[in-house]
Amino acid sequence: SQQGEEDPQALSIQEGENATMNCSYKTSINNLQWYRQNSGRGLVHLILIRSNEREKHSGRLRVTLDTSKKSSSLLITASRAADTASYFCATQGGSEKLVFGKGTKLTVNP
Amino acid sequence: DTGVSQNPRHKITKRGQNVTFRCDPISEHNRLYWYRQTLGQGPEFLTYFQNEAQLEKSRLLSDRFSAERPKGSFSTLEIQRTEQGDSAMYLCASSLALTGGQETQYFGPGTRLLVL
Repeated sequence: SQQGEEDPQALSIQEGENATMNCSYKTSINNLQWYRQNSGRGLVHLILIRSNEREKHSGRLRVTLDTSKKSSSLLITASRAADTASYFCATQGGSEKLVFGKGTKLTVNP
Repeated sequence: DTGVSQNPRHKITKRGQNVTFRCDPISEHNRLYWYRQTLGQGPEFLTYFQNEAQLEKSRLLSDRFSAERPKGSFSTLEIQRTEQGDSAMYLCASSLALTGGQETQYFGPGTRLLVL
């Protein structure tokens, strides 16, 4: 069963705009990770945020984590056509396994 | 290329046949994971190894599925008597856990299985 739930399920924006994706989860976690997946390919790790962190940046990516609301957001600034992909959040709790949501499909139109 | 590699990349088989997939993790990584992903869904955990020990198995891993990592390096995932419901992308990931902490899992390109 999947713990995370991304919102929205699909997002279409113009190049240069910002894209925000949200993730909600149900149980307590040790960390939350965001991954990108281009159509039919493997997952690329974007960023890991630990439960004691509130915000993290990596290049054009900004991730926030609110453990009281059991939610996270991924912001991609100044989007590019190459950012078109599915984005997944995945949580890790007491087990080593990652529990993924269903993903947000992002389309960036040139 | 020093990333996680998986072979084959694609496999088409007939129902009832056995299939085996191979995963080569990043060379110094001690943990190796298998996930399965069906169309429109996120990956679902199957099992993981720390070195050669299989430490956790999902209930998704029925008795038709078996995974091994005999020397703590590469791993194989075998599916016996395949069913059409086994059609999916099988993803392998690896990580380096030095002090028992949870670290980033790096994924391979996956093996896409189609059972006819």
